[in-house]
Amino acid sequence: QVQLKESGPGLVQPSQTLSLTCTVSGFSLTSNSVHWVRQPPGKGLEWMGGIWGDGSTDYNSALKSRLSISRDTSKSQVFLKMNSLQTDDTAIYFCTRLRGTGFDYWGQGVMVTVSS
Amino acid sequence: DIQMTQSPSFLSATVGDRVTINCKASQNINKYLNWYQQKLGEAPKRLIYNTNSLQTGIPSRFSGSGSGTDYTLTISSLQPEDVATYFCLQHNSGPWTFGGGTKLELK
Repeated sequence: QVQLKESGPGLVQPSQTLSLTCTVSGFSLTSNSVHWVRQPPGKGLEWMGGIWGDGSTDYNSALKSRLSISRDTSKSQVFLKMNSLQTDDTAIYFCTRLRGTGFDYWGQGVMVTVSS
Repeated sequence: DIQMTQSPSFLSATVGDRVTINCKASQNINKYLNWYQQKLGEAPKRLIYNTNSLQTGIPSRFSGSGSGTDYTLTISSLQPEDVATYFCLQHNSGPWTFGGGTKLELK
């Protein structure tokens, strides 16, 4: 069955770089698109960006200068790297699969706290 | 960017009640509207896609309707297990945007 699972550090210092991994199973990254969505505590969801089956990427314009999304198809993994982290980047980070019917399957999310 | 305004933000209802949650888009989203349920500590679960298509395995008490800019999620008879936060997503055009969420509690 389709599964996605995020992993990464729970705590990142301000100004440092966040690195997260989304490991997927039950589908191929070369024919599916995986995206990252985040949710600050008590706030709504924000689409961050994603990588398409052909390897091209799209980013939220508000994050584009700090964000990079890549993948390793042999390991069924999608990576998020975001630099210059600040306290307002504290959030739960989700990866999710995008189909023609919108985001269908989601990971459980990983909480990232930006603090010294 | 398309803005999604969801209402209400909080909702308290009794088991058996009919519950409605609304999302209003800042422009026509051509029925490309999904609804999700999120319970604490769990992955969001898609309930409805493309306005009114029920996701496989979701109880039929959940339904969706709407067109243009206005969309509604209806729970026909609230059950205790429906306590959760609900949010909408527009996937008509990027960047994909979400409603602010509705926290549903039992009265």
